[in-house]
Amino acid sequence: AQSVTQLDSQVPVFEEAPVELRCNYSSSVSVYLFWYVQYPNQGLQLLLKYLSGSTLVKGINGFEAEFNKSQTSFHLRKPSVHISDTAEYFCAVKGPGATNKLIFGTGTLLAVQP
Amino acid sequence: DGGITQSPKYLFRKEGQNVTLSCEQNLNHDAMYWYRQDPGQGLRLIYYSQIVNDFQKGDIAEGYSVSREKKESFPLTVTSAQKNPTAFYLCASSLSRTDTQYFGPGTRLTVL
Repeated sequence: AQSVTQLDSQVPVFEEAPVELRCNYSSSVSVYLFWYVQYPNQGLQLLLKYLSGSTLVKGINGFEAEFNKSQTSFHLRKPSVHISDTAEYFCAVKGPGATNKLIFGTGTLLAVQP
Repeated sequence: DGGITQSPKYLFRKEGQNVTLSCEQNLNHDAMYWYRQDPGQGLRLIYYSQIVNDFQKGDIAEGYSVSREKKESFPLTVTSAQKNPTAFYLCASSLSRTDTQYFGPGTRLTVL
């Protein structure tokens, strides 16, 4: 069965510092991978996605992620964070078969401090 | 304005009552989904529908029911059989069953 692991439940970082949010997945088949961001009491907004092609994916708000098949990882990075980046970040993998089910990690709270 | 709307944003119900959460989209998407989110957990799939008049159970369908009579609407009923209904409920849609899912703003249900 496919699964997604986000090892860090919370990542504190100072404003303008770089950040990496880790995501590892388990799957025996080709995968589609996603990062979503959730601000307090709101829905999820798509940051970026990997479907195929270049392993470095650029998203909105200056975020990027790199698909690493050998390490089964899809870490999210930003070179310089802002206070407004404070939010919960979810990694997800598309489930197997004909469904479009998304399997989510438990989320990482990015807490940007001034 | 195109998008997904969920209403109400906050909902309070007494234990033992059924409650229906609304989800509407004007994106002309075929597929729609309902997820449940609990604190410190990822989202879990309740039900999904790939086309009008058809829907399938997700991972945690017990105590929930849905209908898909119109393409733009996918209401979720939380029945009294759901043992822990207090949660944040998110609706999503995608153009087809293989496309990226886009989410609504969510409804926070509290059962007293």
